[in-house]
Amino acid sequence: DVKVTQSSRYLVKRTGEKVFLECVQDMDHENMFWYRQDPGLGLRLIYFSYDVKMKEKGDIPEGYSVSREKKERFSLILESASTNQTSMYLCASSRRGRWDTEAFFGQGTRLTVV
Amino acid sequence: DQQVKQNSPSLSVQEGRISILNCDYTNSMFDYFLWYKKYPAEGPTFLISISSIKDKNEDGRFTVFLNKSAKHLSLHIVPSQPGDSAVYFCAGGNYGQNFVFGPGTRLSVLP
Repeated sequence: DVKVTQSSRYLVKRTGEKVFLECVQDMDHENMFWYRQDPGLGLRLIYFSYDVKMKEKGDIPEGYSVSREKKERFSLILESASTNQTSMYLCASSRRGRWDTEAFFGQGTRLTVV
Repeated sequence: DQQVKQNSPSLSVQEGRISILNCDYTNSMFDYFLWYKKYPAEGPTFLISISSIKDKNEDGRFTVFLNKSAKHLSLHIVPSQPGDSAVYFCAGGNYGQNFVFGPGTRLSVLP
């Protein structure tokens, strides 16, 4: 059974804290993605990576960075958390050149910044 | 400006009837469209896709229709079942590249 696993289901952090969200996939996928989901806005792409140590900005990268040191792991970093980063964060992976049936999402991390 | 719109935030349908979820897009360069389904506390899962060279794609109870001139697509579920109750996301883009998602429509299928 294929899996994308996000390290935490729920997180509560204080404003100004550095926050790490971890994502691991066991499918040997080249592509990995970080989205945030907000009511009325759908899924918005923050960053994606198509290979180890490679990263590309998505639609809303401000306030975020990412790290991909190993193929199976993609980390999202909030350098200094702010209340407007309270959201549901979703990680996904897919094979190189494919997106449709081969995009798998993790269960999500609900982050609250207080 | 949202490139993919789902103007109905929610929809309620009786079990056994047809559910029709609508999606509009503004980017005429999109050539591929996806529908994802999301249950609470789970990540989205892929449901069905359609290429712009087609106007219909069917998979069991799920059919997606594409009207390129109107920049509109719809997902039909027939017959609707209580287990179909979920949030449905429409996404548009170009095959092999990143997709733009709509805000989602919450479908409730009533027994």
